[in-house]
Amino acid sequence: GQSLEQPSEVTAVEGAIVQINCTYQTSGFYGLSWYQQHDGGAPTFLSYNALDGLEETGRFSSFLSRSDSYGYLLLQELQMKDSASYFCAVRDSSGTYKYIFGTGTRLKVLA
Amino acid sequence: SAVISQKPSRDICQRGTSLTIQCQVDSQVTMMFWYRQQPGQSLTLIATANQGSEATYESGFVIDKFPISRPNLTFSTLTVSNMSPEDSSIYLCSVGLQNNEQFFGPGTRLTVL
Repeated sequence: GQSLEQPSEVTAVEGAIVQINCTYQTSGFYGLSWYQQHDGGAPTFLSYNALDGLEETGRFSSFLSRSDSYGYLLLQELQMKDSASYFCAVRDSSGTYKYIFGTGTRLKVLA
Repeated sequence: SAVISQKPSRDICQRGTSLTIQCQVDSQVTMMFWYRQQPGQSLTLIATANQGSEATYESGFVIDKFPISRPNLTFSTLTVSNMSPEDSSIYLCSVGLQNNEQFFGPGTRLTVL
């Protein structure tokens, strides 16, 4: 089967750094994406990792280790507006190159 | 990037009826996906709808219940047939771009009574 596991909830204070982990088990792997979703909104694309290593985009960075089937999203200088749900998603290399989403992590940023 | 619109944004339907959700993209894309999301839950892929081929359904979803059309590179529809209260959910369409980015429509909130 296919599974992507994330912590259900993470809490941090403004200005802090938080790491959201994602471990996956899929039949095929093409890359790992991260999405942000605010309550009542649609998911928005944050990053994509196809190769091992760290990708940095402003305050957000994403890391991938294909050998460990593991990745994480790192959020720096947390702001209140970062309070949202975050999902990792594997792009499957078999068949239709579909995206399989993780269980999701709810991030609460406290003042 | 891609801008996606969905219609309707929300609807309340009676059990046993069907609803067709439309998804319009502002550019031509090959890959489109339909998801379902319960409030507070993750996204579950219903099917992949690539233009020029029949939709590919995920385990637990069948064409008779969720027929999909993909008549061109900018448009798709998902029909939820013979609805029951268990079909109440948010339905999202998305497009996958060549650079591996995925963009979502605003979603359709469906309530079945």
